[in-house]
Amino acid sequence: GNSVTQMEGPVTLSEEAFLTINCTYTATGYPSLFWYVQYPGEGLQLLLKATKADDKGSNKGFEATYRKETTSFHLEKGSVQVSDSAVYFCALSHTGTASKLTFGTGTRLQVTL
Amino acid sequence: EPEVTQTPSHQVTQMGQEVILRCVPISNHLYFYWYRQILGQKVEFLVSFYNNEISEKSEIFDDQFSVERPDGSNFTLKIRSTKLEDSAMYFCASSDLGVQYFGPGTRLTVT
Repeated sequence: GNSVTQMEGPVTLSEEAFLTINCTYTATGYPSLFWYVQYPGEGLQLLLKATKADDKGSNKGFEATYRKETTSFHLEKGSVQVSDSAVYFCALSHTGTASKLTFGTGTRLQVTL
Repeated sequence: EPEVTQTPSHQVTQMGQEVILRCVPISNHLYFYWYRQILGQKVEFLVSFYNNEISEKSEIFDDQFSVERPDGSNFTLKIRSTKLEDSAMYFCASSDLGVQYFGPGTRLTVT
């Protein structure tokens, strides 16, 4: 079955540091890949997505590239801010508009001044 | 910007009681979902719904759970007889073209 593996958290960084959160997946076929973010006390928000190999999703300074050869979708940001402190979830779904999302365990990011 | 809404934000119930969690999906979306997140754990899929019927359900979604779209705007999740282990955050989502948009969640506490 499908699965998503994320690096364990929490990740603690100083403001303006470089961020990488690793995500690898196991799936049949060619899934779509997503990063969702959950700010304290809030629901899940779509951060970015990629639907095919070598696609790069980007939003709010965050980027992730769909790497089929390594089955990875690592999240990166060049310079984090305190406001980026949240839990980040990597997820996949198969093509098809009713397809469920399979989530990783989430990685908590804490950014300090 | 349209958004998914959920009510209530927090529900406390006693074990064995029935609860109904309500969701209003984005108006032109046709696909609806429920997920749950037990505290500190991953978000888990419960059920998807399209064209007034269940498209897919997980092992978690047993006979104690049911979903309904009672009118043109609401989408509900009912738990018939709650257990302690049903305590979790329940998220509703709706989608078009493959991207799912989530509501803020209902925190269910079973005592």
